Amino acid sequence: AQKITQTQPGMFVQEKEAVTLDCTYDTSDQSYGLFWYKQPSSGEMIFLIYQGSYDEQNATEGRYSLNFQKARKSANLVISASQLGDSAMYFCAMILYQAGTALIFGKGTTLSVSS
Amino acid sequence: EPEVTQTPSHQVTQMGQEVILRCVPISNHLYFYWYRQILGQKVEFLVSFYNNEISEKSEIFDDQFSVERPDGSNFTLKIRSTKLEDSAMYFCASSELAGGRDTQYFGPGTRLTVL
Repeated sequence: AQKITQTQPGMFVQEKEAVTLDCTYDTSDQSYGLFWYKQPSSGEMIFLIYQGSYDEQNATEGRYSLNFQKARKSANLVISASQLGDSAMYFCAMILYQAGTALIFGKGTTLSVSS
Repeated sequence: EPEVTQTPSHQVTQMGQEVILRCVPISNHLYFYWYRQILGQKVEFLVSFYNNEISEKSEIFDDQFSVERPDGSNFTLKIRSTKLEDSAMYFCASSELAGGRDTQYFGPGTRLTVL
């Protein structure tokens, strides 16, 4: 079955340090997209970054980059220069373009940034 | 920047009552979605909607649920007879296109509490 695995329930990092949040996915489909969303304590879901399965370059959006390793089926989120406001839950999600419109989410990783 | 809005932010209801959760998707978006997140668990897809009909639904989306686009701006989720296990955060999302490279943008959520 298609699924997303986030093995780190919690991560701790100091301000200004870089942090990597792990995400592995399981699908036999060739055409898919991978997303990261941020959920602060206020509850909203904020889109961060997208990577398509056919994209040859890793996606970047400001301080966020996605380390896409297709053969290993991993799509790790790298946050450079962490800020206190980065403290939140982070979800990795996948969409299978041939299957439909549903995003499949992982269980999330809680990131805590300290000063 | 355009955003998805949801009302109310918090709804408390008695078991067996009907509730309607409201969403205003981003104005030029054509695809609409509902997801739910039971406290402490991952986000789960409920339904997607396009051109005034359901395009995909999950096993969770049974006969007690319905969706509607009553006018040109609102998108609603109705739960006919609420159960205790319906207590969750309900997220509306919208995208300009279905799947593809098009990102689903989420609203801030409605926290539903069933007593």
